[in-house]
Amino acid sequence: EDKVVQSPLSLVVHEGDTVTLNCSYEVTNFRSLLWYKQEKKAPTFLFMLTSSGIEKKSGRLSSILDKKELFSILNITATQTGDSAVYLCAPRPGYGNKLVFGAGTILRVKS
Amino acid sequence: EPEVTQTPSHQVTQMGQEVILRCVPISNHLYFYWYRQILGQKVEFLVSFYNNEISEKSEIFDDQFSVERPDGSNFTLKIRSTKLEDSAMYFCASSETPNEQFFGPGTRLTVL
Repeated sequence: EDKVVQSPLSLVVHEGDTVTLNCSYEVTNFRSLLWYKQEKKAPTFLFMLTSSGIEKKSGRLSSILDKKELFSILNITATQTGDSAVYLCAPRPGYGNKLVFGAGTILRVKS
Repeated sequence: EPEVTQTPSHQVTQMGQEVILRCVPISNHLYFYWYRQILGQKVEFLVSFYNNEISEKSEIFDDQFSVERPDGSNFTLKIRSTKLEDSAMYFCASSETPNEQFFGPGTRLTVL
């Protein structure tokens, strides 16, 4: 059975702090891993990772994948209150097109 | 920027009634999906659709559920006889390739 575990479950930081969110996974014939940000409603796409060791970066957010150790991390530097959200990790197994979502990490950034 | 749209944003129905949730995927996308999220729980895959047929479905997607692409733009999810446990947020998603899936804002379904 496919499994995705995200940690921590929740996190409270102050503006300007750097955070690291973790995602470990066990899925059959792994193909890719996606990160999403969920504020009030829909998950918003952040990154897709397919290769180990290659960092994806977008502004203050970056992410990397380790296919050997079966995990990914999402880093956010110089956090802002607008980063407050649930961050979802979703690997894609190789036998179909579905994404398997973790429970998410709730990030709250205090001003 | 193109986005996935869904209607209605909130649907309230009585148990046993049929509901149809509507989605307009991004126009050049070929892959379509439905997911749901029960309050406080994970986002769960329901079904994927490609080339006018279901390509994959989960155990949740039983005979009470069906999907259709009735025309070139809409993608619908029908629940034939709703149960209390169908209450959830239903997300439609689409993708150009089976990779980066873009989600709509969701329809909150409340079954009374």
